[in-house]
Amino acid sequence: ETGVTQTPRHLVMGMTNKKSLKCEQHLGHNAMYWYKQSAKKPLELMFVYNFKEQTENNSVPSRFSPECPNSSHLFLHLHTLQPEDSALYLCASSLERKETQYFGPGTRLLVL
Amino acid sequence: AQSVTQPDIHITVSEGASLELRCNYSYGATPYLFWYVQSPGQGLQLLLKYFSGDTLVQGIKGFEAEFKRSQSSFNLRKPSVHWSDAAEYFCAVEHGSSNTGKLIFGQGTTLQVKP
Repeated sequence: ETGVTQTPRHLVMGMTNKKSLKCEQHLGHNAMYWYKQSAKKPLELMFVYNFKEQTENNSVPSRFSPECPNSSHLFLHLHTLQPEDSALYLCASSLERKETQYFGPGTRLLVL
Repeated sequence: AQSVTQPDIHITVSEGASLELRCNYSYGATPYLFWYVQSPGQGLQLLLKYFSGDTLVQGIKGFEAEFKRSQSSFNLRKPSVHWSDAAEYFCAVEHGSSNTGKLIFGQGTTLQVKP
């Protein structure tokens, strides 16, 4: 599904850096999601946004800060991350929250 | 708590052979059920989904899955596997009436296809 794009595709950052991940969907959807995919662990839902409003925060540490300026864009701001935060971060969108979610290709993050 | 179990972490089949990937869920109400596939370095692609109605669901790439409420299962099948099917497969469940968008994923099954 090419309707959801993520940038950058790869990111290496130190523990004191601040960086942001960007997600954009061209599907006219109203709900957007951030997931974390770590090695040997199931995908973990991090945040859900519906019509730009955050509706779910799955006990995510405050060093991850999401932002949804409009229904087409979703950001994940990162600061003072830990090495265990290294993972593939996936963005998804759906027309409504109960509808099928379509995923982007992900950002592979490495924290040194 | 809701959970999804994919008992097989890794499966190897020969090209042309049939395939069945298992998925069991723990959930009290009628769930929405999904199968996604992930190729290396890629995001997740939806193969098929079950919301209601016919319990045998057809998907893309020749895949099908059957919802069996009595067994709390949603197994994925394909009659003849192609080398391009090698990937990681994820089963997921969502509360059928929650409207939260909270998908719960299994840990995935890696499929290897032998020539």
